[in-house]
Amino acid sequence: DTGVSQDPRHKITKRGQNVTFRCDPISEHNRLYWYRQTLGQGPEFLTYFQNEAQLEKSRLLSDRFSAERPKGSFSTLEIQRTEQGDSAMYLCASSLYGTGRFDEQFFGPGTRLTVL
Amino acid sequence: AQKITQTQPGMFVQEKEAVTLDCTYDTSDQSYGLFWYKQPSSGEMIFLIYQGSYDEQNATEGRYSLNFQKARKSANLVISASQLGDSAMYFCAMKNTDKLIFGTGTRLQVFP
Repeated sequence: DTGVSQDPRHKITKRGQNVTFRCDPISEHNRLYWYRQTLGQGPEFLTYFQNEAQLEKSRLLSDRFSAERPKGSFSTLEIQRTEQGDSAMYLCASSLYGTGRFDEQFFGPGTRLTVL
Repeated sequence: AQKITQTQPGMFVQEKEAVTLDCTYDTSDQSYGLFWYKQPSSGEMIFLIYQGSYDEQNATEGRYSLNFQKARKSANLVISASQLGDSAMYFCAMKNTDKLIFGTGTRLQVFP
């Protein structure tokens, strides 16, 4: 049984460096979401894709952030010129939209980013 | 603006007892969905239960039930017969168009 996977699980970087995270959704899922969770808070929406199309971006997603989902399969989230405020858990979720259910989102284990 | 409020930062419950985790929400939409997720220390968000705004009956999933009071805009999670493995963070969330809006969570600790 393959759920949502994320790589790496942990990333430590220095301020100013670029980082890239990968998310592999459940194979038949057409929607993929990115959320960010800081300490003591609930996850906050960043962006989501339906197949390869990016349908919505949060205002939280500054110009330093970019996400892609080529071919509608895995997705990458890149942060350029990292800042200490980017330190957080980055969560990926996927769902199968259009089945008539409530579009349950299945979450991956997250990537914890620490910016020194 | 849509918002989820969880006013209990932490809760304690003895094993085998029931516990209620509070959640209130704010929305002007007529159609919406409410979710509860569990987040253990490993970090993964685990779906527990869903309630649609038009569902007439309160949702139940095993030991989890949702006390949905639409007029009060509350969607409290009830966990019956608590187990040590229930110790975790619990998040209430509302579906806003296609994304989830989460509350700040409640940390539940189950003691023997």
